[in-house]
Amino acid sequence: EPEVTQTPSHQVTQMGQEVILRCVPISNHLYFYWYRQILGQKVEFLVSFYNNEISEKSEIFDDQFSVERPDGSNFTLKIRSTKLEDSAMYFCASAPEGNEQFFGPGTRLTVL
Amino acid sequence: QKEVEQNSGPLSVPEGAIASLNCTYSDRGSQSFFWYRQYSGKSPELIMSIYSNGDKEDGRFTAQLNKASQYVSLLIRDSQPSDSATYLCAADTGGGNKLTFGTGTQLKVEL
Repeated sequence: EPEVTQTPSHQVTQMGQEVILRCVPISNHLYFYWYRQILGQKVEFLVSFYNNEISEKSEIFDDQFSVERPDGSNFTLKIRSTKLEDSAMYFCASAPEGNEQFFGPGTRLTVL
Repeated sequence: QKEVEQNSGPLSVPEGAIASLNCTYSDRGSQSFFWYRQYSGKSPELIMSIYSNGDKEDGRFTAQLNKASQYVSLLIRDSQPSDSATYLCAADTGGGNKLTFGTGTQLKVEL
């Protein structure tokens, strides 16, 4: 059964450094999303992406964040200058038609 | 602010019993609702979606939706220890562009 994959599984970085989190959505899906979950808290929406552009973004998704679909398979989330409060699990999700979203295993980001 | 509310639990049920999980939402414009299961340290796993008022059954799971009361529920029949997890209720609050999640209800199925 097709799955969303994410790399790396764990990323440790210093405050102020740039990180890129990578995702390979399910191949025939058209909608892509990033969510994050701070330890012990709820899953929070960051951004949705369709037809090579951002469809919606949350107030968390400020100028420090960007997304890109550099080729036909990858979907990336870049954080330009990480802060301590960016430490969280980051989940990529994809959906065939903007309805049922399937989540990847996540990347645990630790900012020191 | 569009919210999804769940009782955090834990909800403890004996093996073989029915577990009932509930959720309310604030956005009357939401049309689609989802239940995800999340094991500790893992990602959310989609188990049910529901779009119309009434019941939807899939194996041991039944989702119920009442848009007038802004209420969604999930029933798990014949609960098994492997069902022990946190169950997340989510509403589509962005027309397919965004899910808003509740905090989740922790379910413990006891032997």
